[in-house]
Amino acid sequence: AQTVTQSQPEMSVQEAETVTLSCTYDTSESDYYLFWYKQPPSRQMILVIRQEAYKQQNATENRFSVNFQKAAKSFSLKISDSQLGDAAMYFCAYRKINDMRFGAGTRLTVKP
Amino acid sequence: EPEVTQTPSHQVTQMGQEVILRCVPISNHLYFYWYRQILGQKVEFLVSFYNNEISEKSEIFDDQFSVERPDGSNFTLKIRSTKLEDSAMYFCASSVGQGEADEQFFGPGTRLTVL
Repeated sequence: AQTVTQSQPEMSVQEAETVTLSCTYDTSESDYYLFWYKQPPSRQMILVIRQEAYKQQNATENRFSVNFQKAAKSFSLKISDSQLGDAAMYFCAYRKINDMRFGAGTRLTVKP
Repeated sequence: EPEVTQTPSHQVTQMGQEVILRCVPISNHLYFYWYRQILGQKVEFLVSFYNNEISEKSEIFDDQFSVERPDGSNFTLKIRSTKLEDSAMYFCASSVGQGEADEQFFGPGTRLTVL
């Protein structure tokens, strides 16, 4: 079974600093997608970034980038120049066809 | 910007009662999903729905659960006889396509409390 593990229940970062959120997953598949979702307090989950497993190049979206290590089954999210609005729960997710699995989430606090 | 909406935001019910959770997906989306998140636990996939049929369901989605698209806009999740362990946040999502790259847009969730 595919499982997604986020080992950091909580993280905090100083405004303008960089933070990395960890995610590992387990799969026997070679082709799949990985996602990071952000869930602000009392708001819906929104997609932050996605990575196709067959692409070696790490995805980047503005201040958000990933470090995808396929062999290690690791998919960390780096947030650069953290802003107060980045404070949220962050969920790592794995998807193969219609099988979408989420990690338990990391609560990110941004300190002014 | 179009959003997935869900009603109610919070539903309290007695054990054994039936509940219907409602979702309005984004209008041009064709694929619909329900997920749940028990407090402090992972978001779990329940079911996906396309062309008025369930396309995939998880082991959680047993006979107590059903989904329906009763009209052109609503997508509902019914729990026939609620149990205490059904207490959770229930998220609806929709997407244009079912490909792995197709972004699923999530609603804000309905918090279900079973007493």
